[in-house]
Amino acid sequence: NAGVTQTPKFRILKIGQSMTLQCAQDMNHNYMYWYRQDPGMGLKLIYYSVGAGITDKGEVPNGYNVSRSTTEDFPLRLELAAPSQTSVYFCASSPGTGCFFGPGTRLTVL
Amino acid sequence: DQQVKQNSPSLSVQEGRISILNCDYTNSMFDYFLWYKKYPAEGPTFLISISSIKDKNEDGRFTVFLNKSAKHLSLHIVPSQPGDSAVYFCAASVSGTYKYIFGTGTRLKVLA
Repeated sequence: NAGVTQTPKFRILKIGQSMTLQCAQDMNHNYMYWYRQDPGMGLKLIYYSVGAGITDKGEVPNGYNVSRSTTEDFPLRLELAAPSQTSVYFCASSPGTGCFFGPGTRLTVL
Repeated sequence: DQQVKQNSPSLSVQEGRISILNCDYTNSMFDYFLWYKKYPAEGPTFLISISSIKDKNEDGRFTVFLNKSAKHLSLHIVPSQPGDSAVYFCAASVSGTYKYIFGTGTRLKVLA
């Protein structure tokens, strides 16, 4: 099992550009999550999904969108990137108790 | 509004001694708590969890204590090892919501 995979590992965006962060899991977990980690700020929940076709906002959803068309994939879309979105983004999946995290995507918006 | 707080950003401990990491929460609905460990450039990895029906859970060198009346949990690592040096996050959720809220993390440094 590859677990939770994220692409890309690093990305630099210009202000106003858009991009999609990819996340996939092969553990057949129903629950998937996107978190961002800012220095000294811990992990903040952006969006989560309890199953294909169902998504919900977390603590900091503004500026992001998600979709969950399959159990395996949970992409995170950034529209009109802003410097405040510079962060490390972690995708995670869960069988219902606890999360398994991917390795993260480091995004810089200049 | 930070629902899960780790008030100590960092902690240094001598190898072989006990490390105690603390976590406070404000939402009385939280009933499931977890600790994660994170090395640089990696995703967090699960360490240990506790349900609110218990006040203690042990797994090897790691023990988590829960004080519901104080809305406080702690992670004890005994004995501490240099490989334990990492950032530790506590997380909390309300059963059935499958939504995990994390704290700000504590950087533990175990000195050889």
